[in-house]
Amino acid sequence: RKEVEQDPGPFNVPEGATVAFNCTYSNSASQSFFWYRQDCRKEPKLLMSVYSSGNEDGRFTAQLNRASQYISLLIRDSKLSDSATYLCVVNCNAGGTSYGKLTFGQGTILTVHP
Amino acid sequence: ETGVTQSPTHLIKTRGQQVTLRCSSQSGHNTVSWYQQALGQGPQFIFQYYREEENGRGNFPPRFSGLQFPNYSSELNVNALELDDSALYLCASSLASAETQYFGPGTRLLVL
Repeated sequence: RKEVEQDPGPFNVPEGATVAFNCTYSNSASQSFFWYRQDCRKEPKLLMSVYSSGNEDGRFTAQLNRASQYISLLIRDSKLSDSATYLCVVNCNAGGTSYGKLTFGQGTILTVHP
Repeated sequence: ETGVTQSPTHLIKTRGQQVTLRCSSQSGHNTVSWYQQALGQGPQFIFQYYREEENGRGNFPPRFSGLQFPNYSSELNVNALELDDSALYLCASSLASAETQYFGPGTRLLVL
């Protein structure tokens, strides 16, 4: 089983649509959670951190359910510029060591069309 | 931009050769992590350097090695290149080993 699993998509949605991405992780010791965005042939860029209380940044809402080991990202009122790959990322400071290893999902491809 | 730079941007090598990739971390960041991203996959953790010491390693063979310098810049060395080493190599810097990581633009390596 992969440590972080995402539906790879692709998701093809019209402008203005609401789209949701889901992600599950297997390591219950995971401590930090993120969504990164990656444009074609570019590096991943931090979109937002994810907290148990849920957090919102404009049109983007992220949720974490530690009991179910489940992370979600909701994008409202999709724009053409939202087209990208969305990576679910988990940071686990394993075994009491100090380092943070980012574990990425495969990524979910989103295409927003006119 | 994140302030993290990598060189070269692209590289073509043949099987069996050795390669060195370089990364300059964001000013003030003392931790550099390296990742390999194959086509269609998420990045895979190779290792992390914190204050010039290796501070964690992923599931990569010993022919993947690294260094961190006193100015916190870093190198990734890969010996005896294999075709499957063709990938985008990303470095990420952070203020401390467990904080949010910011990625450089990557080096795209093709092994023929």
